[in-house]
Amino acid sequence: EVKLVESGGGLVQPGRSLKLSCAASGFSFNDYWMGWVRQAPGKGLEWIGEINQDSSTINYTPSLKDKFTISRDNAQNTLYLQMSKLGSEDTAIYYCASSPWGWFAYWGQGTLVTVSS
Amino acid sequence: DIVMTQSPSSLAVSAGETVTINCKSSQSLFGSVRQKNYLAWYQQKPGQSPKLLIYLASTRESGVPDRFIGSGSGTDFTLTISSVQAEDLANYYCQQYYDTPYTFGAGTKLELK
Repeated sequence: EVKLVESGGGLVQPGRSLKLSCAASGFSFNDYWMGWVRQAPGKGLEWIGEINQDSSTINYTPSLKDKFTISRDNAQNTLYLQMSKLGSEDTAIYYCASSPWGWFAYWGQGTLVTVSS
Repeated sequence: DIVMTQSPSSLAVSAGETVTINCKSSQSLFGSVRQKNYLAWYQQKPGQSPKLLIYLASTRESGVPDRFIGSGSGTDFTLTISSVQAEDLANYYCQQYYDTPYTFGAGTKLELK
């Protein structure tokens, strides 16, 4: 069974940093592109970015490129999202997902990040 | 960026009806190399993660009931749900993966009439 489990969310003060993790199991992690998507409370889905199998290609949505960094550790079957200079606009549920060819086949349950003082 | 415009934003239906959700992209999503349209549809129920329904515009994901049908090409796409059931009440999103940044439509909320 494919499982993606995000962790690392919580309450963080504006301007601070936070690193999310996504533990993958049940599939060959190092054969797949992986991505992050977020959803602000009551809003739609926003694509954050993706990373290829060997981390040689990482794509971001332009507005987040200077704030967020996607990485992965294939030995640990784990995907990461490093977030910096957080603001209230970054309050959202953050999902990791596996991406066979651009679409997202499997999603985690999400982790909530709340940016507030 | 490719803009995805979904309509309607909400839809009230009765069980057993057939519904159509539209998704229009600001540029063609047809890839000449693979001869496919790079569009996906997702269903998101309250409190849950999104679930993939359709990819390549019309290919149903494994396990998705055949009442969910994706169609369209180029810039105009449709998700049709035939004989809507109570369990289908959810938000539906289209997504283009023709070019990064990949983008989602704003969503369509399917509600019970």
